Amino acid sequence: AQSVAQPEDQVNVAEGNPLTVKCTYSVSGNPYLFWYVQYPNRGLQFLLKYITGDNLVKGSYGFEAEFNKSQTSFHLKKPSALVSDSALYFCAVRDIEGGSYIPTFGRGTSLIVHP
Amino acid sequence: EPEVTQTPSHQVTQMGQEVILRCVPISNHLYFYWYRQILGQKVEFLVSFYNNEISEKSEIFDDQFSVERPDGSNFTLKIRSTKLEDSAMYFCASRSPTGSQETQYFGPGTRLLVL
Repeated sequence: AQSVAQPEDQVNVAEGNPLTVKCTYSVSGNPYLFWYVQYPNRGLQFLLKYITGDNLVKGSYGFEAEFNKSQTSFHLKKPSALVSDSALYFCAVRDIEGGSYIPTFGRGTSLIVHP
Repeated sequence: EPEVTQTPSHQVTQMGQEVILRCVPISNHLYFYWYRQILGQKVEFLVSFYNNEISEKSEIFDDQFSVERPDGSNFTLKIRSTKLEDSAMYFCASRSPTGSQETQYFGPGTRLLVL
């Protein structure tokens, strides 16, 4: 079984400050982990993924995420937030040994960056 | 950059009516998916489709649902007799047969409201 939790419905941050959007996961085996972003009236856009290798993954728009196996987390981070980063962010996980190519998504976290 | 498109963006229907949600995947993609998100809840997988047949489906995808690729460009989701609980945002996604298997490209969604 695979599941993902995004414990915060909303994250507020001031422009220029670092941001973190939290994600924890649960899988039976090893995880593939993803972050997607959804801007208003747009589809989910792929940001970054962890498959294997370096625990720090860099993605689009200056975002990065750190895979932490001991804490089963994959938090999304950005050193300096922009107002244009305001959007809905979805974490997703797929169990590598699960036999399915379908990821499980979280509920989403609304990021609001204040000018 | 090519995008997945969905029509309509919004649909309101009466309980018991049939609805068809339409998607145009990215042109060289061969794997197609439908997801839904009930307001405030997780993005849930409904069905995946490849080579003109369903490859995986979730428990949500019961006999009321069907998918079809009627021509070379469209991918549709039909709900035969809508229920109030079918009200949700429905996302279509597609994936390329080459490159990363993990990156699905999502459309902007159709917001379905069943009254």
